[in-house]
Amino acid sequence: NAGVMQNPRHLVRRRGQEARLRCSPMKGHSHVYWYRQLPEEGLKFMVYLQKENIIDESGMPKERFSAEFPKEGPSILRIQQVVRGDSAAYFCASSPPPGANEQYFGPGTRLTVT
Amino acid sequence: AQSVTQPDIHITVSEGASLELRCNYSYGATPYLFWYVQSPGQGLQLLLKYFSGDTLVQGIKGFEAEFKRSPSSFNLRKPSVHWSDAAEYFCAVGAGTSGTYKYIFGTGTRLKVLA
Repeated sequence: NAGVMQNPRHLVRRRGQEARLRCSPMKGHSHVYWYRQLPEEGLKFMVYLQKENIIDESGMPKERFSAEFPKEGPSILRIQQVVRGDSAAYFCASSPPPGANEQYFGPGTRLTVT
Repeated sequence: AQSVTQPDIHITVSEGASLELRCNYSYGATPYLFWYVQSPGQGLQLLLKYFSGDTLVQGIKGFEAEFKRSPSSFNLRKPSVHWSDAAEYFCAVGAGTSGTYKYIFGTGTRLKVLA
């Protein structure tokens, strides 16, 4: 059973470009969560999605960031017009339907903005 | 407000020595508590979790943690550290108005193991 998959693992973007981060949850998991880890800090919650629904986006910056989890395909975290402060590791986690509270984390995407 | 504090940023122990990593939490209801380990450049691996029941929780790789309400702590322990345990350790609490999905992480403790 494959774990949570994220790609790319490393992404370099110049200021002003767009970054697209992908996350494929574990088989059977319908809940996806995105977290951001800034250098020397712990992970910070960004958004919680179920298929075709955003459940909680209270941790998302108000501008330039968006997330989706379509009916088919991976979850996408999109950052428009990236700035140097967006450089971080972005982790995706997934969990089974309600009743389970354990999240399984992917290997992360390390975004570097030059 | 919910919070997690890991007071020790860095800890160094000798191989074979015992280990205790501290985690203090603040949460109104019964918390869901986790310890994760992160090796350099890698994702997070779950070591153990506490939801309810026995306050002493056994995890993988010989780790255990004890849930305490007063003072609020969930310290991670291992009786004998191996060189491969060198990594960063994160304590987390499950929080959220509608459930426990919004994990709040501590800032981590980086463990160094001396040969």
